[in-house]
Amino acid sequence: KQEVTQIPAALSVPEGENLVLNCSFTDSAIYNLQWFRQDPGKGLTSLLLIQSSQREQTSGRLNASLDKSSGRSTLYIAASQPGDSATYLCAVQTDSWGKLQFGAGTQVVVTP
Amino acid sequence: NAGVTQTPKFRVLKTGQSMTLLCAQDMNHEYMYWYRQDPGMGLRLIHYSVGEGTTAKGEVPDGYNVSRLKKQNFLLGLESAAPSQTSVYFCASSYGLWQGHQPQHFGDGTRLSIL
Repeated sequence: KQEVTQIPAALSVPEGENLVLNCSFTDSAIYNLQWFRQDPGKGLTSLLLIQSSQREQTSGRLNASLDKSSGRSTLYIAASQPGDSATYLCAVQTDSWGKLQFGAGTQVVVTP
Repeated sequence: NAGVTQTPKFRVLKTGQSMTLLCAQDMNHEYMYWYRQDPGMGLRLIHYSVGEGTTAKGEVPDGYNVSRLKKQNFLLGLESAAPSQTSVYFCASSYGLWQGHQPQHFGDGTRLSIL
């Protein structure tokens, strides 16, 4: 069974510092890997999607890498801002029906 | 542009009561999903649907039933609520894989407490 792990569970950084969030998965047979952001009391917002054949995706200050062979993905957020404070979740798509297996998330606090 | 809308947003039930959670999407997505989110456990898939009139079990389907009578709606039912079903429930929708790799779109959730 696919298992997705995110370490650390919580992270606090001062404003301006780069954020590095880790995601690992046990089965390399994935369709894609998705990073989401969740604000308190809200649903999930998609940040980046990396197909299994890709190595990285970028959007603005966000960059996500994927190493399928080692079962790892990393989300980089450059020059963090207080508005980046949220919980970040990664998920792997495990079949063609779009089923996602989620990690438990990393709660990020960016202090001014 | 509403996206994915869940109703109700909050609900308190007594053990043994029944209720239905409604999810509606206006993006003409083929696939729809119901998840539950519990502290420290991430999201777990309850049931999903890959088209109107179809449903399938996810990782934690026991105690829940679903229906997809219309493409835009996906209903989650609790026949006899139990305290273990206290959770935040999220609905999501997406295009099919034949339309390319697309992320799932989520509603804002329904916070359900069973006393």
